[in-house]
Amino acid sequence: KAGVTQTPRYLIKTRGQQVTLSCSPISGHRSVSWYQQTPGQGLQFLFEYFSETQRNKGNFPGRFSGRQFSNSRSEMNVSTLELGDSALYLCASSWGGRADTQYFGPGTRLTVL
Amino acid sequence: AQSVTQLDSHVSVSEGTPVLLRCNYSSSYSPSLFWYVQHPNKGLQLLLKYTSAATLVKGINGFEAEFKKSETSFHLTKPSAHMSDAAEYFCVVIGGSGGYNKLIFGAGTRLAVHP
Repeated sequence: KAGVTQTPRYLIKTRGQQVTLSCSPISGHRSVSWYQQTPGQGLQFLFEYFSETQRNKGNFPGRFSGRQFSNSRSEMNVSTLELGDSALYLCASSWGGRADTQYFGPGTRLTVL
Repeated sequence: AQSVTQLDSHVSVSEGTPVLLRCNYSSSYSPSLFWYVQHPNKGLQLLLKYTSAATLVKGINGFEAEFKKSETSFHLTKPSAHMSDAAEYFCVVIGGSGGYNKLIFGAGTRLAVHP
């Protein structure tokens, strides 16, 4: 069974630009969650999508948004990039039930110059 | 609100000696707890999880953790460290009510294994 895939693996952008990251979950999984990992703040929850609906949201500004498609693939968008958005963005998929194991992808490394 | 505290940011052991990574949790109800491992430039891999069944949970690669409600702890152990265990380890709790899949991560413990 294929794991969670994320594209692209690396991105370099400049301040003020926007970026879209993609996540393909494990086949059959309906929940996709996004996390940001930085050396200063650690791993922080961004949002979760289940059956094309945002079910949970973390404490991030509105510049961070996402969506989920009918095939459960998810995209995350960050508009008006700031230097502090440089991070590893991880997505995870699961069946969607409480405490179901979340399987993580390899992440997208975003660098904002 | 749910939270976890990893008591050591760095742990260093010799190959073949026991590993102990400490984690305390705070939860207003029976928690679901996890340990994840992250190798350099890799994603996160689940080691084990506790969801109110047996208090001693066995995971992959010889790791296990014991849920102790009286001590609000969920420490990760392994009898004998291997060089390949060098990585960062995260203790994780499921978020609050309605937070079905919101994982709350500890700050992480970096494990170094010396020959």
